[in-house]
Amino acid sequence: NAGVTQTPKFQVLKTGQSMTLQCAQDMNHEYMSWYRQDPGMGLRLIHYSVGAGITDQGEVPNGYNVSRSTTEDFPLRLLSAAPSQTSVYFCASSRAQGQGILDEQFFGPGTRLTVL
Amino acid sequence: TQLLEQSPQFLSIQEGENLTVYCNSSSVFSSLQWYRQEPGEGPVLLVTVVTGGEVKKLKRLTFQFGDARKDSSLHITAAQPGDTGLYLCAGEESGTYKYIFGTGTRLKVLA
Repeated sequence: NAGVTQTPKFQVLKTGQSMTLQCAQDMNHEYMSWYRQDPGMGLRLIHYSVGAGITDQGEVPNGYNVSRSTTEDFPLRLLSAAPSQTSVYFCASSRAQGQGILDEQFFGPGTRLTVL
Repeated sequence: TQLLEQSPQFLSIQEGENLTVYCNSSSVFSSLQWYRQEPGEGPVLLVTVVTGGEVKKLKRLTFQFGDARKDSSLHITAAQPGDTGLYLCAGEESGTYKYIFGTGTRLKVLA
């Protein structure tokens, strides 16, 4: 099992460029999510999905799009990068117990994104 | 949006000392998780607490969920350098699958 994998590990963009951060899991987890981590602010939920074809917004969804066409993959798209999106991005997956409760969230190693 | 505040933000202690980290909110959470994160890596789950008043022990770590499910604490007994890291609490907004993370407590244990 590879667990949760993320690519790329590092990325530098110019303002206005678009890109997709890739996330894949091989644990057959229903739930997947994207967080960003900024100094002193913990992790903030961007988007999440409880299954293929289902996505929903988290705390800070503006400027990001997601899709969930398969159970394994959950890409995060930056439509027009801004310096405020400079951050470390983590993808996570988990089994969903039902009634909104998750089992352990397994996190990927993160993508460090810098927007100039 | 519910908020989770952690205190202290930073803690530097000597090996062998005890410490407590707090996670507080004015809102009720259905469940609460504690994670530890090391530099350059993603967070790793330590424990999940679900019932108000619940206490869980993992070796030298003791976790408590407040009776009203608005707060939680993590107590470490006889801290070791291997306990060094960023400790994060995460509360689940009732029935939503949305987990709100606290701001984190950065712990350094000196040998």
